Amino acid sequence: AQSVTQPDIHITVSEGASLELRCNYSYGATPYLFWYVQSPGQGLQLLLKYFSGDTLVQGIKGFEAEFKRSQSSFNLRKPSVHWSDAAEYFCAVGLYGSSNTGKLIFGQGTTLQVKP
Amino acid sequence: GAGVSQSPSNKVTEKGKDVELRCDPISGHTALYWYRQRLGQGLEFLIYFQGNSAPDKSGLPSDRFSAERTGESVSTLTIQRTQQEDSAVYLCASSSRLPVDEQFFGPGTRLTVL
Repeated sequence: AQSVTQPDIHITVSEGASLELRCNYSYGATPYLFWYVQSPGQGLQLLLKYFSGDTLVQGIKGFEAEFKRSQSSFNLRKPSVHWSDAAEYFCAVGLYGSSNTGKLIFGQGTTLQVKP
Repeated sequence: GAGVSQSPSNKVTEKGKDVELRCDPISGHTALYWYRQRLGQGLEFLIYFQGNSAPDKSGLPSDRFSAERTGESVSTLTIQRTQQEDSAVYLCASSSRLPVDEQFFGPGTRLTVL
């Protein structure tokens, strides 16, 4: 069965420090991968997506993610975290193809806290 | 342009009552999804609509849950005889006709069943 695992439930980093949020997926076909961010009281916003091509993808707000097929991973990174990045982050795999509908399978989420 | 809108933003109901949640997708988006997010959890897929095709109801947790969509416009998620475990945020998303495309999410409806 398809699944997404975010091993870190909660991460705290200092402002200005680098960040890496981990995501592992289980899916037999070509994965379509997404990272979404959810701030308190806000809806989900897409940070970046991987469909094909270059395995290092750039997103909004200075985020990037690298798709590693051999590790079934799609980790999110940012070189320097800002206090406004404090939020919950969700990794998701999209199920496409003839028998699938594009529904997203989400990980449990990682809550990011930023220390001043 | 306008994003996905949902109403109401909050709904408090008593156990056993029926509730209706509404979603207005982005104009021109043919695909519409409903997800449920329980407290501290990721999102769970509930149901998918694409144009006039039969909906994918594989994520509906019980027969108390149903949803309708009129053409490519508004969708309504109905929960009958609500239970406390139905308390969650219900999120709607829409996407374009492209085979693979990003989903745009609404702000959600927070349902509390007392």
